[in-house]
Amino acid sequence: DTEVTQTPKHLVMGMTNKKSLKCEQHMGHRAMYWYKQKAKKPPELMFVYSYEKLSINESVPSRFSPECPNSSLLNLHLHALQPEDSALYLCASLGTGDEQYFGPGTRLTVT
Amino acid sequence: GESVGLHLPTLSVQEGDNSIINCAYSNSASDYFIWYKQESGKGPQFIIDIRSNMDKRQGQRVTVLLNKTVKHLSLQIAATQPGDSAVYFCAEIGTPTGNQFYFGTGTSLTVIP
Repeated sequence: DTEVTQTPKHLVMGMTNKKSLKCEQHMGHRAMYWYKQKAKKPPELMFVYSYEKLSINESVPSRFSPECPNSSLLNLHLHALQPEDSALYLCASLGTGDEQYFGPGTRLTVT
Repeated sequence: GESVGLHLPTLSVQEGDNSIINCAYSNSASDYFIWYKQESGKGPQFIIDIRSNMDKRQGQRVTVLLNKTVKHLSLQIAATQPGDSAVYFCAEIGTPTGNQFYFGTGTSLTVIP
């Protein structure tokens, strides 16, 4: 298995909802990432987990809450989001040669 | 974070021609650089990487050149094909953790059949 999977592919949520994005990889990679990508912009780093511990938080608002239950799973819990949080959320894992493997992303729309 | 930018936001080339996409970076301490290809509706896909102890690295139809003196990176695609149409990003690993990737602005490549 050489891929990163993300669910759901699309998500529409209201500003008062609570939802979660999920990411999974079975390549034994020990670092996993969340990125946010707006249309026609590069991915922006949000969080990095290394060996299941949060190592980097790029000053992300607390309405985004990451979780790494085990070395293969990465979640992003969403609560009280704003319309400007609508974006493509990408998960990635870090290979042994430092290359990143990206999932297909979750397209999030906040109404 | 570090500043990684691209000189041209769009590039159109004729099928069969060679393409050159450029990238400038600002952190002279960065030691690892990657080029990604992102097609519409998909996540970024690794193309090729280069470490700072190298000036050039070749892959299948792609070559990355690194000029540390002027902090410049380029991606050359030989015999460009319609399937190469995508947005291309350069990224660098930030310091000191070595885990932070910072992406450049991106160049949209369109291949004209």
